[in-house]
Amino acid sequence: DIQMTQSPSSLSASVGDRVTITCRASQGIRNDLGWYQQKPGKAPKRLIYAASSLQSGVPSRFSGSGSGTEFTLTISSLQPEDFATYYCLQHNSYSLTFGGGTKVEIK
Amino acid sequence: EVQLVQSGAEVKKPGATVKISCKVSGYTFTDYYMHWVQQAPGKGLEWMGLVDPEDGETIYAEKFQGRVTITADTSTDTAYMELSSLRSEDTAVYYCAMLGTRLDYWGQGTLVTVSS
Repeated sequence: DIQMTQSPSSLSASVGDRVTITCRASQGIRNDLGWYQQKPGKAPKRLIYAASSLQSGVPSRFSGSGSGTEFTLTISSLQPEDFATYYCLQHNSYSLTFGGGTKVEIK
Repeated sequence: EVQLVQSGAEVKKPGATVKISCKVSGYTFTDYYMHWVQQAPGKGLEWMGLVDPEDGETIYAEKFQGRVTITADTSTDTAYMELSSLRSEDTAVYYCAMLGTRLDYWGQGTLVTVSS
């Protein structure tokens, strides 16, 4: 199975900060990766698909990059509603794998 | 409007089996795989498996292989996830999810509590 290593596991940031989250795949997965945001008590919501494509309706301050084994989610200017937990999800193989998650907290 | 509506919360004893349903509307059920995801309290997301409603083919994560059965009923546009030999570590919220290339829809989640 493909392992997804996500870092950091948590971070503290202020409104307006630029935030970067990374996922590393144990083997190449082309661009078969999505990024999700989850708020407490809610289902995850996809922000990015195909590593760098913005899901419809998602603010443009969210962006994704990477291919192969290294992927990045960037929030260009953190907003109050962005405090949440973020996950990457690879779907290169038929057995999907989530990253461990990154909790973004208020500094 | 696409909707995935899951069945309600369950309380089960260790060793029992739970079966959760996920009724879809707003899209053609057979056009997309249906996935199931587990989230234990305070923990991350764990992919459990998928079913292709078109032909019933399934793929399961190694962790759940042998205990999970995912099915799809095209007559009612409903997917099911059955988890057997329940133990306390299976206490979690379970989500069904349609994860298309551009489309991404999730059920509201079903809490399963395993307790003696």
